[in-house]
Amino acid sequence: DADVTQTPRNRITKTGKRIMLECSQTKGHDRMYWYRQDPGLGLRLIYYSFDVKDINKGEISDGYSVSRQAQAKFSLSLESAIPNQTALYFCATQQGRGEQYFGPGTRLTVT
Amino acid sequence: KNEVEQSPQNLTAQEGEFITINCSYSVGISALHWLQQHPGGGIVSLFMLSSGKKKHGRLIATINIQEKHSSLHITASHPRDSAVYICAVPGGGADGLTFGKGTHLIIQP
Repeated sequence: DADVTQTPRNRITKTGKRIMLECSQTKGHDRMYWYRQDPGLGLRLIYYSFDVKDINKGEISDGYSVSRQAQAKFSLSLESAIPNQTALYFCATQQGRGEQYFGPGTRLTVT
Repeated sequence: KNEVEQSPQNLTAQEGEFITINCSYSVGISALHWLQQHPGGGIVSLFMLSSGKKKHGRLIATINIQEKHSSLHITASHPRDSAVYICAVPGGGADGLTFGKGTHLIIQP
């Protein structure tokens, strides 16, 4: 079984809809991250979390919110999706300052 | 904010060739990451290094902290090495990564 899982893997939604992307990990890592990937722009940090009580904004947090429900779970929400949020979204985990481990990605399309 | 530049952006080579991908960054760091992204989209960590050189199979990563530069080398390249290679450094908070735009590598048989 994968150490970092993301659901859904693909999602098409309409402008204005609320959508949640979920990330779960079995690695026991304390740090979790959400990134988005756009062609030509590379990966960018949306939010990160040290632990359940620690949530921090990244480079491009506008239009997104997150919830760290447990050490193993970190969800990303789009309160009112817009077309320029169409992207590939990755969750990643890290223990301390070690390597980061990425989930398989969620391909989100907002029409 | 750390600026990360990779070169080349695209590289096509023949099987067996020695490949070099370069990465430079603007602000001193504690460690640098090399990642691989296959056409299916998944991202895998290849190396995390803070000094010197690391080797894993046919992959070699080097870093020069003073020059703020790292290279990823692939020896005896093979078509299965075709992927996007991404350099990343801490800088996004809690060691959230700042990424280069990636090098799209194609190895032709």
